[in-house]
Amino acid sequence: DIQMTQSPSSLSASVGDRVTITCRASQSISSYLNWYQQKPGKAPKLLIYAASSLQSGVPSRFSGSGSGTDFTLTISSLQPEDFATYYCQQSYSTPPTFGPGTKVDIK
Amino acid sequence: QVQLVESGGGLVKPGGSLRLSCAASGFTFSDYYMSWIRQAPGKGLEWVSYISSSGSTIYYADSVKGRFTISRDNAKNSLYLQMNSLRAEDTAVYYCARVSSWGEIEYFQHWGQGTLVTVSS
Repeated sequence: DIQMTQSPSSLSASVGDRVTITCRASQSISSYLNWYQQKPGKAPKLLIYAASSLQSGVPSRFSGSGSGTDFTLTISSLQPEDFATYYCQQSYSTPPTFGPGTKVDIK
Repeated sequence: QVQLVESGGGLVKPGGSLRLSCAASGFTFSDYYMSWIRQAPGKGLEWVSYISSSGSTIYYADSVKGRFTISRDNAKNSLYLQMNSLRAEDTAVYYCARVSSWGEIEYFQHWGQGTLVTVSS
């Protein structure tokens, strides 16, 4: 199975900050990488698919980049509604696997 | 709009069985792969199972293989997960998700609200 890691595991940030979350795969996964946002008590929501494609309806302050083993999710200007946990997920091979998550909370 | 509504969760004793359902609406259900994904309390996301649009192709996580069975009824726009020989470590919120793809890259585009399964004596 492909192992996914994320860093940091948590971070504290202020509204307006630029936030970067890193995801690393245990082997090359090309661009088969997706990002999800989850708020407490809610289902995950797709943000980014295929490493850098923005899901319809997701604000443009979210962006994704990377290929191979190293990927990044960037929030250009953190908004109050962005405080959540973020997960990366690879779909290069079965089983699809998720990273452990990065919790973004208020500084 | 796409809606996925899970049901069937609850409290069950170790070794017991439960059948989850997911009612889909707002899209042509028979065109899409579907999946079950679970999340143990306070933990991350774990993929459980896939089923192809026709039901002919199925995959399971090793942790549930031989105990869980995924199925679908395209006439009823419904997805199911039959869970047998349940263990305490199966305790989780179970989400159904619609699988979409961009070329060969698959992703979980839409999720239900989840249903809680608790395995405890």
